[in-house]
Amino acid sequence: KNEVEQSPQNLTAQEGEFITINCSYSVGISALHWLQQHPGGGIVSLFMLSSGKKKHGRLIATINIQEKHSSLHITASHPRDSAVYICAVHLSGGSNYKLTFGKGTLLTVNP
Amino acid sequence: DGGITQSPKYLFRKEGQNVTLSCEQNLNHDAMYWYRQDPGQGLRLIYYSQIVNDFQKGDIAEGYSVSREKKESFPLTVTSAQKNPTAFYLCASSWGSQETQYFGPGTRLLVL
Repeated sequence: KNEVEQSPQNLTAQEGEFITINCSYSVGISALHWLQQHPGGGIVSLFMLSSGKKKHGRLIATINIQEKHSSLHITASHPRDSAVYICAVHLSGGSNYKLTFGKGTLLTVNP
Repeated sequence: DGGITQSPKYLFRKEGQNVTLSCEQNLNHDAMYWYRQDPGQGLRLIYYSQIVNDFQKGDIAEGYSVSREKKESFPLTVTSAQKNPTAFYLCASSWGSQETQYFGPGTRLLVL
């Protein structure tokens, strides 16, 4: 079983819809990242959080440490949001440099 | 422009050949990383370097080697010992531990 699980694996939405992508982890962590991978392969870091909630534009990330769960929300989705969204964590007690990654959620937003 | 670059974009390897992937950053970051991405799998860490002249093995270091002679450069060599090298390779850098990582555009390695 992977230490980091994402759901759903694939998500198709219509432009304007509110989108939620989930990330659950089975071990203690010190921080969690949300990343976006574009179709060409490039990866951009969206958020790093260890508690609470962060917002950037139409993107919102939340984390519940007790429940070992994080969500990434996209409001008013747009076709340009189509990408793979990846959750990654720094494991507690491990190297603070190492990230453990989920397999990603492929989001397709149709016009 | 500050950023992280990788070259080449595509690389072809013949059987028994060593190949080297380039990664350069001008962000003045101390830490650098190499990841491998295979279809349907999460990124996996090959090697990382916290500082110049120092590096540590990641989860899948076998068949790979690295060097960190300069702060801005962290080349990865895929040796002939790596029997399944076909993958997408991503380099990243960060200021330090538990910091945002900045990724390069990636190199796709294919075996002839």
